[in-house]
Amino acid sequence: DQQVKQNSPSLSVQEGRISILNCDYTNSMFDYFLWYKKYPAEGPTFLISISSIKDKNEDGRFTVFLNKSAKHLSLHIVPSQPGDSAVYFCAASSSGYTGKLIFGQGTTLQVKP
Amino acid sequence: DVKVTQSSRYLVKRTGEKVFLECVQDMDHENMFWYRQDPGLGLRLIYFSYDVKMKEKGDIPEGYSVSREKKERFSLILESASTNQTSMYLCASSTNRQRELFFGEGSRLTVL
Repeated sequence: DQQVKQNSPSLSVQEGRISILNCDYTNSMFDYFLWYKKYPAEGPTFLISISSIKDKNEDGRFTVFLNKSAKHLSLHIVPSQPGDSAVYFCAASSSGYTGKLIFGQGTTLQVKP
Repeated sequence: DVKVTQSSRYLVKRTGEKVFLECVQDMDHENMFWYRQDPGLGLRLIYFSYDVKMKEKGDIPEGYSVSREKKERFSLILESASTNQTSMYLCASSTNRQRELFFGEGSRLTVL
């Protein structure tokens, strides 16, 4: 039972354009969502997060949008840069916190110069 | 900066061997985790620990065990390695005050 789903395995965009990565979840108990970025042969690094009491969080070129009614979140990268090429994982957690994150399958983003 | 260190970046083992993957964090975090990453499956939680000598099963604990004798160290043990345990293993830690996990660089295990 995949509670967090990233249905697009890959995405290719041109440098300078917007990248939109999507994530869906099924568990209504999730109240905190995170995005991680992973380069090959490295561990994932935290990118941005959002609490369920918000619908948007912005950090520089990265913005995460949360639509609770649709159980959907998205990560927008504007403008996209070649260095953004990586695998992006969304993750979710629920209160009653033991620190456990449930991850999606990941989306490989390629930004072409 | 938080540092999570995994002892081996690359390992090659034979079927049936016992394998130890070690992880150490230097930020006095309460929680530690072991995930494995496989293409198309994302990161799946194997085991986690929220205190010394405590452990909880994650989503895929079969074939694995863990040990946490000290707060900063969390070990993953494959009692008898099998080819389907070939994977990237990722250790992470977190504090009870934050939801964010901090990951190590990963250990790429190949079982022949």
